[in-house]
Amino acid sequence: GAGVSQSPRYKVAKRGQDVALRCDPISGHVSLFWYQQALGQGPEFLTYFQNEAQLDKSGLPSDRFFAERPEGSVSTLKIQRTQQEDSAVYLCASSLAYRTKLYEQYFGPGTRLTVT
Amino acid sequence: ELKVEQNPLFLSMQEGKNYTIYCNYSTTSDRLYWYRQDPGKSLESLFVLLSNGAVKQEGRLMASLDTKARLSTLHITAAVHDLSATYFCAVDQISNFGNEKLTFGTGTRLTIIP
Repeated sequence: GAGVSQSPRYKVAKRGQDVALRCDPISGHVSLFWYQQALGQGPEFLTYFQNEAQLDKSGLPSDRFFAERPEGSVSTLKIQRTQQEDSAVYLCASSLAYRTKLYEQYFGPGTRLTVT
Repeated sequence: ELKVEQNPLFLSMQEGKNYTIYCNYSTTSDRLYWYRQDPGKSLESLFVLLSNGAVKQEGRLMASLDTKARLSTLHITAAVHDLSATYFCAVDQISNFGNEKLTFGTGTRLTIIP
């Protein structure tokens, strides 16, 4: 079956440009997460959606980062006025349910963003 | 703030040898995950450990959880080249907003040498 997909897989942006990264979660998954993985590091939580509601955005590093999931399925992570420190792999994950014992996150392939 | 530490960060092993990767975490949690990541690829779930004393095995990998010690181990038996990858542990916690979120360790880059 189809897993989590992300596009584009690679993005090069000049400093100051805006970028938009797309995530298609597994169909029917209620929960959607965004993580940022810097080179040589573990992923770090950015934000969480339950359906279309953004319940937790505590991990967003600055107000240049914005995420949305308007219809409760596809999500977009937007970064405005990109800076070099934004260079990282952005991972999207989805899970079937909210706060259940069977909870497990399934990760997409990631978008590698390079800001020059 | 939850902190998750793995050691070693880098590990070179000869094929056929055994070794253990350690994952320590700083606050109470009852769920711990182990993931594998190949270069340029996403995260592949290996194990989900849900309770104190949990032990799970898949092939040459075995993971265990001691919630009292806040320690999980990933044991590799008779390593083969295919196991070369970066391994992450991740601890699950409930945020102040009511959702789960994962806090990852820094990863252990494992290289199996023929």
